[in-house]
Amino acid sequence: GAVVSQHPSWVICKSGTSVKIECRSLDFQATTMFWYRQFPKQSLMLMATSNEGSKATYEQGVEKDKFLINHASLTLSTLTVTSAHPEDSSFYICSASHRPYQETQYFGPGTRLLVL
Amino acid sequence: QKEVEQDPGPLSVPEGAIVSLNCTYSNSAFQYFMWYRQYSRKGPELLMYTYSSGNKEDGRFTAQVDKSSKYISLFIRDSQPSDSATYLCAMSAGGNQFYFGTGTSLTVIP
Repeated sequence: GAVVSQHPSWVICKSGTSVKIECRSLDFQATTMFWYRQFPKQSLMLMATSNEGSKATYEQGVEKDKFLINHASLTLSTLTVTSAHPEDSSFYICSASHRPYQETQYFGPGTRLLVL
Repeated sequence: QKEVEQDPGPLSVPEGAIVSLNCTYSNSAFQYFMWYRQYSRKGPELLMYTYSSGNKEDGRFTAQVDKSSKYISLFIRDSQPSDSATYLCAMSAGGNQFYFGTGTSLTVIP
């Protein structure tokens, strides 16, 4: 099956620093990748959709200068949380679309971010 | 009205029981239907993918889509403690827009 990896799986950083999270599709080419945020016991919240080679489309209320997304290749997308603050602490999950093979998404294992 | 409605539970069943999880939706354009399983502190894992109406079976899991009623179901036979997780339904009309349910928390008691 289609496999998506994320790195790192967890990260602790000091307030004010930037953190980069990588999302890779390991065995398929992903023209579209998605970034989600999830708080404990809550559902997924879509942050942005990115297509390879173009700018990401951010959901309403998501600060694009705060959450920088780069989708430089068909297998790699990165999310950079700039000047992180404690309220950015969350579980970040990426997914990749397996279109046109399947109209579905495959999720990465998630990255837990704790900002002190 | 939300695009996708899913009862959050929690649902608690004894081991070996048949579990029925359901979602309703309002957009008749949805054609692609998915069920994901999410363990605590993990990313969602795709369980079942169905196109249009009908049934699909994979081991102990059966997905049903009733487009006329705008209703989808996931059945788990012979439930196991390892099935304890949150189950998310998702659907799409095609393209890059996916709509997720809020998830149903399931606990299978040994």
